[in-house]
This record gives sequence, structure tokens and C-alpha cells, in this order.
Amino acid sequence: SAVISQKPSRDICQRGTSLTIQCQVDSQVTMMFWYRQQPGQSLTLIATANQGSEATYESGFVIDKFPISRPNLTFSTLTVSNMSPEDSSIYLCSVATPGQGGDTQYFGPGTRLTVL
Amino acid sequence: AQRVTQPEKLLSVFKGAPVELKCNYSYSGSPELFWYVQYSRQRLQLLLRHISRESIKGFTADLNKGETSFHLKKPFAQEEDSAMYYCALSGPPMNTGFQKLVFGTGTRLLVSP
Repeated sequence: SAVISQKPSRDICQRGTSLTIQCQVDSQVTMMFWYRQQPGQSLTLIATANQGSEATYESGFVIDKFPISRPNLTFSTLTVSNMSPEDSSIYLCSVATPGQGGDTQYFGPGTRLTVL
Repeated sequence: AQRVTQPEKLLSVFKGAPVELKCNYSYSGSPELFWYVQYSRQRLQLLLRHISRESIKGFTADLNKGETSFHLKKPFAQEEDSAMYYCALSGPPMNTGFQKLVFGTGTRLLVSP
């Protein structure tokens, strides 16, 4: 399985600012995903990070608020823009590779974001 | 629409007792179902998937299409089983060919000595 790291592990930010979260994988992976887990709730898929093209966003999530980059097969970033307290969540990166079933996803440790 | 329901937020049992974590799903197609687990201070990880029909750490789960359920069971709970358990459903392929996971809200299992 892939080893996934995220930076930062946690942050406390002021309203109106932006935070970029990095996801690094130790091997090339086809698919990378970004999830949000709000307090007391389940994981919700934000978007699929596509290498070399624009991310594919789920309903309710837009590029202006959550711009994503995927410059290569081992790295992706998620930016949470113009933050408000409602953005306080854990943000998780996950990866999937062919041969293991696209459904078998491996998750990073998460980034705990608190917006004041 | 795809949906996964885990009716219990918390399940508390004593060590050695049987455990059943409930999961019901709603999906019009042929589902693939998973159980993910998150131990304290660890990342979310796959526990088992129905397609493998395996037993991991003594846990099993059977897909019941008639009842649209995928309950997770273990005959004798251990303290180290204490964790957050998420049931997940894999839906139809996205444009990329990969399938989106839809998660339930999770059940916290607490096994007391």
C-alpha cells in the first residue's frame, strides 16, 4: 500500500485567509482524492485531483473555494480559500491505484483545520 | 441516490462479548461495500471488503442484498477493537473509471475490560 503524508497536520487560521494543504505519496498513483470530515460527521468527497488537468468537483464544492493542483503522480495540494469558521474540518487526502480496485483507497493522516 | 446508514453512533460492549455494527445501504445497482476503521491517533484504513469474503482481525461482514445490509460482526470483542468504524459503498464509475466511495457517519466501538 502507498505511504501518504500531509502537511500541515493541523493549523489554526483567521477568517478570510487561505490555507494550502499538501499531500505527498511515496509512489506514483493514478487517482488522488480530497475529502472533508466536519466535526461529528462522515467523510465527504470534495474532488478528484486529476494529473495534468482540472480537478473534478463534487456537488456543493467549487474550484474558487477549493482550488486543487496535481502537478505529478505523487503530489497534490488543496487550498481552502477565504476561510470561515464553517470550514473547520479535517481534510484528508486519499489515493487509489489500478489493480487494487479503485474503490480500495488509502488515506493520509489528515489535516485538522480550525478557523477562528 | 447512494446512501449508507449506520444507525448507532456508539456501541459499548464488554471484552469477550459479541459485536455487531450495523450498516444499511441504498443503491440501485450492484454495490461494493467496505468497512474502514480508524484507531485512536491513526489514519483511516481499510478493514475488509465484501468482495473478498475474508475475515480480518476476527471481523466478518456479509452482504445481504435482500435487507440491503452489510453488518460487521465479531464473536468475541477485544479491547484493541475499540475504534471508529465506517461503512462505505462504492458507486458507479466516475468519468475517470474509478468509483466514488460514499461513507456512513460511523460507529464508535468501545470495548471495556
